[in-house]
Amino acid sequence: DAKTTQPNSMESNEEEPVHLPCNHSTISGTDYIHWYRQLPSQGPEYVIHGLTSNVNNRMASLAIAEDRKSSTLILHRATLRDAAVYYCILRVVNTGNQFYFGTGTSLTVIP
Amino acid sequence: DAGVTQSPTHLIKTRGQHVTLRCSPISGHKSVSWYQQVLGQGPQFIFQYYEKEERGRGNFPDRFSARQFPNYSSELNVNALLLGDSALYLCASSLDVRYNEQFFGPGTRLTVL
Repeated sequence: DAKTTQPNSMESNEEEPVHLPCNHSTISGTDYIHWYRQLPSQGPEYVIHGLTSNVNNRMASLAIAEDRKSSTLILHRATLRDAAVYYCILRVVNTGNQFYFGTGTSLTVIP
Repeated sequence: DAGVTQSPTHLIKTRGQHVTLRCSPISGHKSVSWYQQVLGQGPQFIFQYYEKEERGRGNFPDRFSARQFPNYSSELNVNALLLGDSALYLCASSLDVRYNEQFFGPGTRLTVL
C-alpha cells in the first residue's frame, strides 16, 4: 500500500514557481516527510525533508499542512535542469528508519 | 569524493538463476539500504543494514537476502530469479540509521529472461 500519493505529471514554464503536491493521510506522528528527485539513468537525489514545520534550503521549500496529511514541494524558479521525477517519501522511524517512496511526479519544464 | 558505487551496471540472467549485486557506500557511511525500482514505479525498500546487522526488511520474499561486510560494503543476493525480478536495484548509504539524507548509487539494471 502506497503511503504517499502524487499526481503522475506536471508542467511548468521556465523561471516560474512550481508547486508539487503530496498526500500522506496515514502519516504517524514520528514519520518524516522527504522529497527526492530522480533524473533519467540516475539514482534519486535528496531535495529536502521536514517533520512539522515548513523548511527552506537552497534547492526548494517544503510546506507541511498543519494536520501533516499533505505537503507541497515548492521550486521557486524552475529551470530546465529541474526536469525530473519528484518523489514524496515517508521516513518511518519507529520501524527502523525506512523510506517509503510514492509513485512520483514527472515534472516537465517548458522553455 | 567518490559517491556510492554499484556493480555491475547491467546484468542479464535467466529464470531460476541467482544473482549477486554489490554496493560500496560513501567513505565513512555505516548504513546501507537496498531498493528495487520496477520500470515506471518508485523505489521499494528491500533491506537496511547498519554496522553489519539487518535493521529493517521490506515486504520481499525469502529469495532476497543481503549482508554487510566489515568495510561497510554490501551484497544483495536474489535466488530462483523470476521474470518479475527485472528491475533497477538501487543502493543507498547514510552516515547512520538516524541520518536524514540517503545518498543513492546509479543502480544495477537486472533483466531476467
